[in-house]
Amino acid sequence: EPEVTQTPSHQVTQMGQEVILRCVPISNHLYFYWYRQILGQKVEFLVSFYNNEISEKSEIFDDQFSVERPDGSNFTLKIRSTKLEDSAMYFCASSEAGRLPHNYGYTFGSGTRLTVV
Amino acid sequence: AQSVSQHNHHVILSEAASLELGCNYSYGGTVNLFWYVQYPGQHLQLLLKYFSGDPLVKGIKGFEAEFIKSKFSFNLRKPSVQWSDTAEYFCAVNANQAGTALIFGKGTTLSVSS
Repeated sequence: EPEVTQTPSHQVTQMGQEVILRCVPISNHLYFYWYRQILGQKVEFLVSFYNNEISEKSEIFDDQFSVERPDGSNFTLKIRSTKLEDSAMYFCASSEAGRLPHNYGYTFGSGTRLTVV
Repeated sequence: AQSVSQHNHHVILSEAASLELGCNYSYGGTVNLFWYVQYPGQHLQLLLKYFSGDPLVKGIKGFEAEFIKSKFSFNLRKPSVQWSDTAEYFCAVNANQAGTALIFGKGTTLSVSS
């Protein structure tokens, strides 16, 4: 079964440093997403990406965050200057597009645990 | 704005007990509904989903959920839980439009004792 792949599985970074979290979505999917889950809290939507631009973002996704699809396979989340409160599990997801119900193909990756120290 | 409420924060059951986890959502339009499970140290896995049609949907591992539109509810059920069902369960909803975000509930921790 196709998978969404995320690397690294765990990243530790110092406060103020930039981090890039990487994701390889399922190849025929056209919508890409980032979610995060702070320890003990619910999964929160950050951003969705379609046709090389952000299609929707939450209030969490402020100027320190950016997303990019640098090539035909990767989808990255960059946090410019990390803060302690950015420590969380970050999940990438992708979904099909086209005829509804497109969400049949909504698949999550295994996540990257980001620890800011 | 959409929201999802899961009323049970932590449920503790013995093996073979029946399970029902509540989920209510708030949204005015047509929605898709999901239940995800997260086993300790693992990623989110889809248990089942509802888009349209029969409001009683069956998922993996013997789980089922019933969509009751009048109550804005999508409760998860399993007639007989196993120790291996110990996990975090998340209800989620999104609008039935292309590329919309999933809105998650806060999750319910299920602990099953053998």
